[in-house]
Parts: sequence; structure tokens; C-alpha cells
Amino acid sequence: GAVVSQHPSWVICKSGTSVKIECRSLDFQATTMFWYRQFPKQSLMLMATSNEGSKATYEQGVEKDKFLINHASLTLSTLTVTSAHPEDSSFYICSAVDRTGANVLTFGAGSRLTVL
Amino acid sequence: GQQLNQSPQSMFIQEGEDVSMNCTSSSIFNTWLWYKQEPGEGPVLLIALYKAGELTSNGRLTAQFGITRKDSFLNISASIPSDVGIYFCAGRRRAGSYQLTFGKGTKLSVIP
Repeated sequence: GAVVSQHPSWVICKSGTSVKIECRSLDFQATTMFWYRQFPKQSLMLMATSNEGSKATYEQGVEKDKFLINHASLTLSTLTVTSAHPEDSSFYICSAVDRTGANVLTFGAGSRLTVL
Repeated sequence: GQQLNQSPQSMFIQEGEDVSMNCTSSSIFNTWLWYKQEPGEGPVLLIALYKAGELTSNGRLTAQFGITRKDSFLNISASIPSDVGIYFCAGRRRAGSYQLTFGKGTKLSVIP
């Protein structure tokens, strides 16, 4: 079945630095990927829709200059948290759709960011 | 963004008992999905429902798409310790769209 890989699975950084999280579709091409954010004991909140070869579509209230999304190929989308602050600490999860296959939305295992 | 109303928020049950949880919304959904999430992992799809009234099973799990298209329930029969986790419902408003709205989750604990 479709597999979505995220890297790193966890990262700790200092306040003010930038962190990049990768989301890869391992055995299928994904023209669209989604980035979610999940706080402890909370649900998943959609941050943005990442479109291959074009700009991401951000949900209301999500700062696009803060959370940079690049979908440069059909198998890779990256989320960069710029000038991270402690309140950006969260679990970031991506998902992708294999439209040529079972059309099932598959989630990655998530990336836990801790900003000190 | 909007969230679905999912209940109960948490459950403690004895191994072997049946479990039921549900989600409701004020809006109509085209698709209802049920996911399970374990600590430090992403959600894993359990059951997908595409038609109002549809009743679908996956092993000990059974889920239904409400007739009004505004609700869904998930039942787990004869629970076992590995059923422990957080269960999320998710709805999709339009066919062809993969943007999902998630419920707040039901945390299930199973006492051996």
C-alpha cells in the first residue's frame, strides 16, 4: 500500500532558528499533500494544502511567511518553520493521496518539534 | 477550522467489552472516515464510509454513515488491550476533495 514518510520524526531546536520537515511519498506520486498540526491531546488541524509545482494554499489563521511550504517534486513536500518560537512546538503530520492507485489518503508518522 | 463533535472524549473499559463512539456535525459530509492514532504516530485509516446509511465492518470494527449525512458511529466489539489509542472521526465535504475535518478524538483505555 501507499507509504508516506516524514523526516525527522522528532527535532529540538533553539528559539529563533528555522526547522525543515520533509514529507515523502515512497511508492507513489502525490500531486497534493496536506500539512496538519496537532497539539497535545488535541485533534489534527489542517494548516495548508501543498500543490506540486505551485504555491501552497493556507488555511485561515496560518501565517504563510512563518510556515513555508515547498512541493518541488511529485514525491516531496517540505514544511519549514521559520524563526521558531516555543509556541510553535507541536506534532506536525503530513498526508498524501495516491490518485493513480487506491485513492486513499495516507498519513505520515508525524514530526515532533520542540522549540527551546 | 471547524471541528466535528465527537463523543465520548475518553473511555475506560474492561477487556472483552464492546465500545461505541460517535461524531455529529451541523453540516453535511460526503464521506466519513474513522482513524486510530497511537502515541507518536500518524493516524491510520480504519474504515471509510461513502454513502448515507452505509454500514461497513473491518474485523471487530463496525461503522455507519448516518442517514442525515451529519453523523457517524464506530463500534468495537470484544475489545482487546491493543485497541488502546485515540480514535478520530473525520469528514470530507466534497467528492474529489481530500481536505478533512477532524473530530477531537476519543481516547480508549482497555483494562486487561
